[in-house]
Amino acid sequence: EAGVAQSPRYKIIEKRQSVAFWCNPISGHATLYWYQQILGQGPKLLIQFQNNGVVDDSQLPKDRFSAERLKGVDSTLKIQPAKLEDSAVYLCASSGTSGSISYNEQFFGPGTRLTVL
Amino acid sequence: AQSVTQLDSQVPVFEEAPVELRCNYSSSVSVYLFWYVQYPNQGLQLLLKYLSGSTLVKGINGFEAEFNKSQTSFHLRKPSVHISDTAEYFCAVSGAYSSASKIIFGSGTRLSIRP
Repeated sequence: EAGVAQSPRYKIIEKRQSVAFWCNPISGHATLYWYQQILGQGPKLLIQFQNNGVVDDSQLPKDRFSAERLKGVDSTLKIQPAKLEDSAVYLCASSGTSGSISYNEQFFGPGTRLTVL
Repeated sequence: AQSVTQLDSQVPVFEEAPVELRCNYSSSVSVYLFWYVQYPNQGLQLLLKYLSGSTLVKGINGFEAEFNKSQTSFHLRKPSVHISDTAEYFCAVSGAYSSASKIIFGSGTRLSIRP
């Protein structure tokens, strides 16, 4: 089974520019997550989708970050305008329904490394 | 709300030596606990998880962890490490009994293996 796909793998932009990241989850996975991983820190959840609806976006900086999952499959995360502190790895993960009502394993993509100059 | 503390940011060990990576958590509710591994330029891979039952959990690549509720710890151990174990290891926690509960990650421990 194919894993979570992300593109691009690397992106370098200047501050105040915009950037978009794409994620294609594992086929059939209803839940999709975007995480931000700053160097030296653990991943931090930015937004969680259940199908095409938002479950949790409490830590998404909504003045500059946006995300969508229009058809409930792949997703795009956008930053506009970017700041220096947005330099990080952006990880996408997905989870399905294993039959358990309480736990669904998250599978992670390779991430997109963003450098803002 | 939950939180995770990984006490060591870096752990250097010699090849074939045992290793323990420490993790403590805090939570006001029952929890699920996880250890993830991240190899250079890759995403996170689940090593093992504790959901319920036996407090000693065995994972992939010879790793195991023990859930200690009284000490709120979930330390990761391996009796003999290999060069290929060089990676970053993240302890994580989520609230139990809810598939929508988000995972909170620790800051990571970098394991470096010396030949």
